Amino acid sequence: IAGITQAPTSQILAAGRRMTLRCTQDMRHNAMYWYRQDLGLGLRLIHYSNTAGTTGKGEVPDGYSVSRANTDDFPLTLASAVPSQTSVYFCASSASGADTGELFFGEGSRLTVL
Amino acid sequence: GQNIDQPTEMTATEGAIVQINCTYQTSGFNGLFWYQQHAGEAPTFLSYNVLDGLEEKGRFSSFLSRSKGYSYLLLKELQMKDSASYLCAVMDSNYQLIWGAGTKLIIKP
Repeated sequence: IAGITQAPTSQILAAGRRMTLRCTQDMRHNAMYWYRQDLGLGLRLIHYSNTAGTTGKGEVPDGYSVSRANTDDFPLTLASAVPSQTSVYFCASSASGADTGELFFGEGSRLTVL
Repeated sequence: GQNIDQPTEMTATEGAIVQINCTYQTSGFNGLFWYQQHAGEAPTFLSYNVLDGLEEKGRFSSFLSRSKGYSYLLLKELQMKDSASYLCAVMDSNYQLIWGAGTKLIIKP
């Protein structure tokens, strides 16, 4: 089934540890995004990539890094996790940019930092 | 600053009609989106409005007034499966999506 796959679906992590959230899409979409979703707040963009080989910072990039070595994969790394990074993380993609109207989301990765 | 406002929670009855409002203040406007998100699941696309007026898609309709910075999502013939959060998002002049916090819709039998 075509779509976006995220891993892990859930993780508990000690503060200070390094963590990579994986995201893979098989729709050949150019643009990919990482969002975090916290209770009472809207989705907030962490990083994005308009095409393979390029990345950009979103609204809340501090403490996170991304890479886009190819079209399909867009991993998100927390270099040294802190409790404020406890959140649900969603990876998304779109055919070109989000101005096409539709983002396709992965099922989310629930991260708890203790 | 940029701001998207929508009610936190609404309750409606199965078979009825409900209107979920969204007001926005953004730096520029390049379209407004509605997404549905069931608890514990990913958001899924419902509608996109860039011109004023009503867009109808089955039981769901979305309305936009750019001059008023206002949109609503209208759900007809409510079903229990419509219980979800509804997210309003606006694309600003930099083509960045600004998201509202979402409206949790509770459907009662």
